[in-house]
Amino acid sequence: GAGVSQSPRYKVAKRGQDVALRCDPISGHVSLFWYQQALGQGPEFLTYFQNEAQLDKSGLPSDRFFAERPEGSVSTLKIQRTQQEDSAVYLCASSLEAGPSYEQYFGPGTRLTVT
Amino acid sequence: DAKTTQPPSMDCAEGRAANLPCNHSTISGNEYVYWYRQIHSQGPQYIIHGLKNNETNEMASLIITEDRKSSTLILPHATLRDTAVYYCIVRGAFGYALNFGKGTSLLVTP
Repeated sequence: GAGVSQSPRYKVAKRGQDVALRCDPISGHVSLFWYQQALGQGPEFLTYFQNEAQLDKSGLPSDRFFAERPEGSVSTLKIQRTQQEDSAVYLCASSLEAGPSYEQYFGPGTRLTVT
Repeated sequence: DAKTTQPPSMDCAEGRAANLPCNHSTISGNEYVYWYRQIHSQGPQYIIHGLKNNETNEMASLIITEDRKSSTLILPHATLRDTAVYYCIVRGAFGYALNFGKGTSLLVTP
């Protein structure tokens, strides 16, 4: 079946611009996660949704980062007034449930470059 | 969630078994061991996970020691396409986020 998809795959933004990154999870997956991966590092957790509820946003690096999942399926990660340090790959993952016995499946990521 | 320790890099000849070790000496009884890999420029790929027993699937085998303080991921017949960074992750009962750490960079050579 279809996996997790993300769009765009690549995004170049000028410093100060707003960007929106989209994630389409696997159909029927209740839990959705966003991660940020800087060059040469492992992915780091940003935020987590159970259906439409954002249950944890402790990993969001600043109040310029905002995520939503209004209907419990597609999610959007928005970054306002982008800065150079926001350059990274943004990964979305989904799982059937959030519990530790449920594996997360990842999309290909969106590579954001802020110039 | 418990911390994991992995060697930064390993080599393996094509066709041989690749055995990737992971130390998780502070793991507690209800924490799972997960393995993911990330091939260059792709998203992480789920490989396998286990709690206490050894596990096998079409991709790999996971061997967890009896005291659960370490584990080994085994790729039985490594191919060039298995070249990737492999992450060992311990995930607790209330830990939904994956803590990737630095992983092991596996290079499979012809």
